[in-house]
Parts: sequence; C-alpha cells; structure tokens
Amino acid sequence: EAQVTQNPRYLITVTGKKLTVTCSQNMNHEYMSWYRQDPGLGLRQIYYSMNVEVTDKGDVPEGYKVSRKEKRNFPLILESPSPNQTSLYFCASSFGSRTRLYEQYFGPGTRLTVT
Amino acid sequence: EDKVVQSPLSLVVHEGDTVTLNCSYEVTNFRSLLWYKQEKKAPTFLFMLTSSGIEKKSGRLSSILDKKELFSILNITATQTGDSAVYLCAVEADEGAQKLVFGQGTRLTINP
Repeated sequence: EAQVTQNPRYLITVTGKKLTVTCSQNMNHEYMSWYRQDPGLGLRQIYYSMNVEVTDKGDVPEGYKVSRKEKRNFPLILESPSPNQTSLYFCASSFGSRTRLYEQYFGPGTRLTVT
Repeated sequence: EDKVVQSPLSLVVHEGDTVTLNCSYEVTNFRSLLWYKQEKKAPTFLFMLTSSGIEKKSGRLSSILDKKELFSILNITATQTGDSAVYLCAVEADEGAQKLVFGQGTRLTINP
C-alpha cells in the first residue's frame, strides 16, 4: 500500500531534550516536505527536499533540522525543543520536477507537546 | 512575502445547500494551486489547477482558477454531512525550487 508513515504519532517531551520525528515513504517520490499546523495559521512549511542530499528552508525553519540521506526517508530533528514548537507536524511526499510538483501525499501527523 | 488567503474562515450550512469557498494568493512565480480536504487527520488531495478558466470536477466538487485576478474557488453542490471538514488551499511557488504556501483553511460544517 502506498503510504507516508511518521513516528512517533504522539510525543510529550521537555524543553531542551533532542528529538527526531521520522518520515518514510514507499512511493519512490523525489519531493518530501515537513509542515507544522497550528490553530488559525494553517499549514506552514518547515523544510523541503527535492531529492537526496537536496534540502531547502520553508517558511518556518528556525529550530529545526532535516536530512535526506536516502530517497525514502526525511527525518525532522529538533535539537533543543521549546514550548513554541508544540504543534501538529505533517510529513508529505510527491513526485516532483524542476517545473512542477504533483499530488502530495500526507503522513498521519505527529502531535508534539513540549513542556 | 508569499501569501495565500482563504475566505470565509468558517461556514455553516444545511445539508443540500451549495457552497463556494474562496482562495486568493500573492506569490512569486506561480506554478499551481492545490485544494485539500482535511477531516480529523491528514489532508487529502482534491484538485490541482494550473491553467485559468479550466474547471476541474470530481462528483459534486468543482474548482476553477483565475490567474489574472489571482484567485480560485471551490464549489460543493448538494452538500452532505460528510463534506464537513477544513478545506485547504495551497499555492506552489518557485523561488529557485518548489515550495508550497498554504492558506489558513475554511472550516465547513454541514448540518443535517
């Protein structure tokens, strides 16, 4: 089954404790992206990747890191989480080219709470 | 700064009504506009629009893009309670590499 998986689905952590949210897709998509969703603000793009070893900042990259060492995986790293990073996080993937993105498939979401 | 604005932010109608959701945008190097439906989980894809004036349809849902006036509408006819969701509009902008900018979403509630 074609899908995007994220782990963990729920996480409660404390300020400053490094964490990684994993994202994996099995559709051989080139493009992968991370978003956070907050009430009243919609989805905001954190980082995206056009292919292996190619990543770029979205609208709200501060406090986050990503890596794309393999095509199927795109982990999101919070080196020192803070309470303002409490949010619902989505990973998404799609086929992509230099001219256009295609339909994005979203993962199930990770609800992160930083206390 | 790239911007996507949806209106209304919230809409409550009765089953059977027709609704129109709006999305306006200001982005650098527009590539495409996408509509998603989000229920209690991840967004699911509805439409991708790239050309002005060409309507895309899927059952009771349809959408059209106006690249001159920089907006799109999503129409839902004969609404059903299962149409209740947040509808998200996103615009693909190319600033050297593709990025997606989302609007705040329209929360649609269909009452029986």
